[in-house]
Amino acid sequence: DTAVSQTPKYLVTQMGNDKSIKCEQNLGHDTMYWYKQDSKKFLKIMFSYNNKELIINETVPNRFSPKSPDKAHLNLHINSLELGDSAVYFCASSQVEGAPGYTFGSGTRLTVV
Amino acid sequence: AQSVTQPDIHITVSEGASLELRCNYSYGATPYLFWYVQSPGQGLQLLLKYFSGDTLVQGIKGFEAEFKRSQSSFNLRKPSVHWSDAAEYFCAVGGSGYSTLTFGKGTMLLVSP
Repeated sequence: DTAVSQTPKYLVTQMGNDKSIKCEQNLGHDTMYWYKQDSKKFLKIMFSYNNKELIINETVPNRFSPKSPDKAHLNLHINSLELGDSAVYFCASSQVEGAPGYTFGSGTRLTVV
Repeated sequence: AQSVTQPDIHITVSEGASLELRCNYSYGATPYLFWYVQSPGQGLQLLLKYFSGDTLVQGIKGFEAEFKRSQSSFNLRKPSVHWSDAAEYFCAVGGSGYSTLTFGKGTMLLVSP
């Protein structure tokens, strides 16, 4: 069983569209994250949620709206997609208590044309 | 603010030779340190992590890393590189609680025959 699963793996869409990426973890972790990897491979935190509550929002445009229906899911919705949104988006999860153990999903490659 | 520096953008090593990838971090409290590997088009795989205790940690695929607090370093080593080790390597630092991971910009490892 995949620990952190993201769908879709690839997403190609036109500018101005709205799209969503889904993430689910079966590790029982209480914290989930979205990271963005740009064309230069740089990974940067976007959001983190703990038990469905937003903890960190790192200067991300309002067009990006994470939604956590329960602590096992963290979806990312993007409105009015722009060319600059093209990147690989990684979902991750960890346990807050004790030493952190981050587990990453396999990533979603978003291409905006 | 926490930060990670990987001074080498890319490194070329002959197959069978030893490898050391450098990582320096800045963190205000007790750091948790990680090395991840990313093969082309793939997700992030955890190689090893340091939380506490023995400063020399063993990971998967024959990798090890040494935590040196006095030098704020966490260098990754492998005694004999295989062609399949060619990939991008990321060092990351995090903390306890709601801390997120901060990644270095990565080092691309090329393995020559």
